[in-house]
Amino acid sequence: SQQGEEDPQALSIQEGENATMNCSYKTSINNLQWYRQNSGRGLVHLILIRSNEREKHSGRLRVTLDTSKKSSSLLITASRAADTASYFCATDDTGNQFYFGTGTSLTVIP
Amino acid sequence: NAGVMQNPRHLVRRRGQEARLRCSPMKGHSHVYWYRQLPEEGLKFMVYLQKENIIDESGMPKERFSAEFPKEGPSILRIQQVVRGDSAAYFCASSNVRTSYEQYFGPGTRLTVT
Repeated sequence: SQQGEEDPQALSIQEGENATMNCSYKTSINNLQWYRQNSGRGLVHLILIRSNEREKHSGRLRVTLDTSKKSSSLLITASRAADTASYFCATDDTGNQFYFGTGTSLTVIP
Repeated sequence: NAGVMQNPRHLVRRRGQEARLRCSPMKGHSHVYWYRQLPEEGLKFMVYLQKENIIDESGMPKERFSAEFPKEGPSILRIQQVVRGDSAAYFCASSNVRTSYEQYFGPGTRLTVT
C-alpha cells in the first residue's frame, strides 16, 4: 500500500512553540503534499514538495523530504491556537489519485 | 469566487435507502475526485472523473456505489441500499488540468446510516 503514515497521532503544545509532525510512506513518489483539516471542515492544501526537492518553506511552514528514508516532516513555527487541526500527508505516484495517511491531530493550547 | 461545494452537508439515511451526494467543482475545473473518510481514519480515494468520463474508479466498491459527472450539473456520488458501514464523511476535490497536483477540497458530506 502506498498509504502515508503520520507520526505522532496526536500532539499537544503551548501557543508559541514549534510543532513537528512526520510522515512515512512505502514506495517511490512523484510528490508529497500536506493538508490541514479543521474539525468538521474540508481539507485545505498547505504545501506540495516534489520528489527532487529536499526542503520547502511557506510562511510559518517548513517541509522537508528525504526520499532515501521515504519520509517527510512538517514544521509549524510559532504555533497559534488557530493551527489546531488535523494534518495529513498525501503521496502521489500516478497523478490520478493521492494516498492519505491517518493524520496527526494537533492541539495548540492558548 | 466560490470554492468546491458539496451538498448536503449532513445526510441521514436508514439502511436500505439510497444516498445521493453532490459536488460542484470550482469554476473552470473539469476534474473531480471523490474520497471517503471513515471515523478515525485518513481519506481514501474512490473515483476520479472528468466531464462525462470515469477516468479511474479503482477505489470504488464494486457494488452499490456509482459516480457520474455529467456535461451539465454537479458530480453525483450515489450509494444504493446503504448499510451502516457506509457512514462516513465523503469529500470531493477538483482540479483544473490533468497534470495539476493541487486539488481543492469541498467541505464534505457527512453520511449517517441508522
